[in-house]
Amino acid sequence: DIQMTQSPSSVSASVGDRVTITCRASQGISSWLAWYQQKPGKAPKLLIYAASSLQSGVPSRFSGSGSGTDFTLTISSLQPEDFATYYCQQANSFTFGPGTKVDIK
Amino acid sequence: QVQLVQSGAEVKKPGASVKVSCKASGYTFTSYGISWVRQAPGQGLEWMGWISAYNGNTNYAQKLQGRVTMTTDTSTSTAYMELRSLRSDDTAVYYCARGDHWFDPWGQGTLVTVSS
Repeated sequence: DIQMTQSPSSVSASVGDRVTITCRASQGISSWLAWYQQKPGKAPKLLIYAASSLQSGVPSRFSGSGSGTDFTLTISSLQPEDFATYYCQQANSFTFGPGTKVDIK
Repeated sequence: QVQLVQSGAEVKKPGASVKVSCKASGYTFTSYGISWVRQAPGQGLEWMGWISAYNGNTNYAQKLQGRVTMTTDTSTSTAYMELRSLRSDDTAVYYCARGDHWFDPWGQGTLVTVSS
């Protein structure tokens, strides 16, 4: 089975900061990767699919990159509504990463 | 708009079964698969399985093989997830989500509590 890891597990940041989250697959997955945002008590929301495609309606400050085994999610200028937990997901066997919590510094 | 609406919270005893429904609207139901994902309290997301709404083909997480069954009713655009032989560690919020690779949208979640 393909395992997904994320780093860091948590990050404290301020409004306006650039935040980068890394996701690594245990074997190559081409661009079969998605990123989700989850706020407490809410269902996850799709942000990025196919590693770098922005889901409709998602602000352009979110971007994704990578292929093979290493991927990144970048928030270019953190906004108050972005404090949440972010998950990567391998989009063939559907395994999720453990999550990265972004909280207020 | 595309929407998935799930059934309400359930409380079950250990050893019992639970069946959660997920009613789809706003799109052609048979054009997309449905996955089920659960989240134990304070924990991350765990993919449980996927069903094709087109032909009923399924793919279950190995961990749940033999305890989970996913079905669809195309006449009502509804997907179902049944989990049997419930244990305390099955206590979680259960989500359905549309998609065959990435998931969008998601249902609102159904809390299943397993307690004696």
